[in-house]
Parts: sequence; structure tokens; C-alpha cells
Amino acid sequence: TQLLEQSPQFLSIQEGENLTVYCNSSSVFSSLQWYRQEPGEGPVLLVTVVTGGEVKKLKRLTFQFGDARKDSSLHITAAQPGDTGLYLCAGAGKAAGNKLTFGGGTRVLVKP
Amino acid sequence: NAGVTQTPKFQVLKTGQSMTLQCAQDMNHEYMSWYRQDPGMGLRLIHYSVGAGITDQGEVPNGYNVSRSTTEDFPLRLLSAAPSQTSVYFCASSYSVGASEAIFGQGTRLTVV
Repeated sequence: TQLLEQSPQFLSIQEGENLTVYCNSSSVFSSLQWYRQEPGEGPVLLVTVVTGGEVKKLKRLTFQFGDARKDSSLHITAAQPGDTGLYLCAGAGKAAGNKLTFGGGTRVLVKP
Repeated sequence: NAGVTQTPKFQVLKTGQSMTLQCAQDMNHEYMSWYRQDPGMGLRLIHYSVGAGITDQGEVPNGYNVSRSTTEDFPLRLLSAAPSQTSVYFCASSYSVGASEAIFGQGTRLTVV
């Protein structure tokens, strides 16, 4: 069982639709990050959230950190084919020890 | 260009062979780590280092060794390759753990036959 559970594992939608990816844990994290990875490349950081209840927006992407700092969500509005990729959440803090722990990832496919 | 450089990008090994995956960063980051990525498993931490001369085990350390003699370099050694080590390996560095951005290399795709 992974410390961070992501759902769904795979999401296929049409261009223009909205989607939400979830990252859940029973443990508390001091910070949580979201990365996007494209084929053949390493993950690239999208955002870091550190405060319970925090909401951050990056163009059409909205990230939320749960009040108890145990979960997070990523919402994409009006998805575009360029949003296709693997989305990974990663947590740091006492629960993860002195290291960054990743969830299993959500593969998103946005069809034109 | 500043960043994390991994070599090689592709490698095929026979069972029992050993090899070293190279990782170098030029950002003066203290924290470096190695992950392996398998389908549906996200990134699993193999070993990490919080500074030169200091290394520690991650989630899946068996069959791998690391050393950190300089701030810049963090090589990963496979002692005796096994088919279960077929994976994509990523090296990452960051200023610290947690709130700072982890910068990843482009990965090494390793196949053990």
C-alpha cells in the first residue's frame, strides 16, 4: 500500500471537458507537490501547497490542499490536448520521513 | 544548461552484470535522490542523499548502492543485475526536501535480459 493513493489511475476525456484528479492519504504532510510528466521526460513541478485549505490556480489548473493536510486535488477546466500526460502528487513531512514520496500517478488523455 | 544530467539514456544488461548509472547536477543542490518508475507504480525511492558523504535508503534499496563523494555527483550502482530491475530510473535534485522543487533528469531506460 502506497502512502499516497491517486485516483483515478487513468482518465480519458474529450477536449473542453473538465476533470479532477485526487491524491489521498491517512497521514499528514507538511507540503504536497503536483508534477506532470510527458513521455520520455522526467516529471516537472506544477505547484507546491503547504497550508491546509490552500487553493492555488495555474491558468486552467486549480490545486487544493485539504484542511487536514492529508489530501489534495487537481482540477482542470476545459481540458486541452496539451494537458495530456501523467500527473503525480508527492508529499513531504514526518509521514514520509526525510524524503519526497510519490503517489502512483494518474494518466490523463485529452482527445481532440 | 543548468539542470540534472543522467547517462546513459538507454542500457541493456545481461542478468548478473553490474553497471553504474551516472547523475550530475550543477545547481549546488544538497539533496539528491534516485527513483525507479514502473507502470502503475509512480516513482519509488531507491536511495537518497542530504549532502556530500551522507546517503540513506529509500523504499526499494535492495540490489543498489550509492555514494556521494561530491555535491555534484550521485551515481547509482547495480551490483548484479536481475530482470526485476528492468525499469526507468530517474535522478532528482533539490535545494531541500519538501517545499522546494525537485529537478529531474531525463531518465535511463534499463532492460535486464
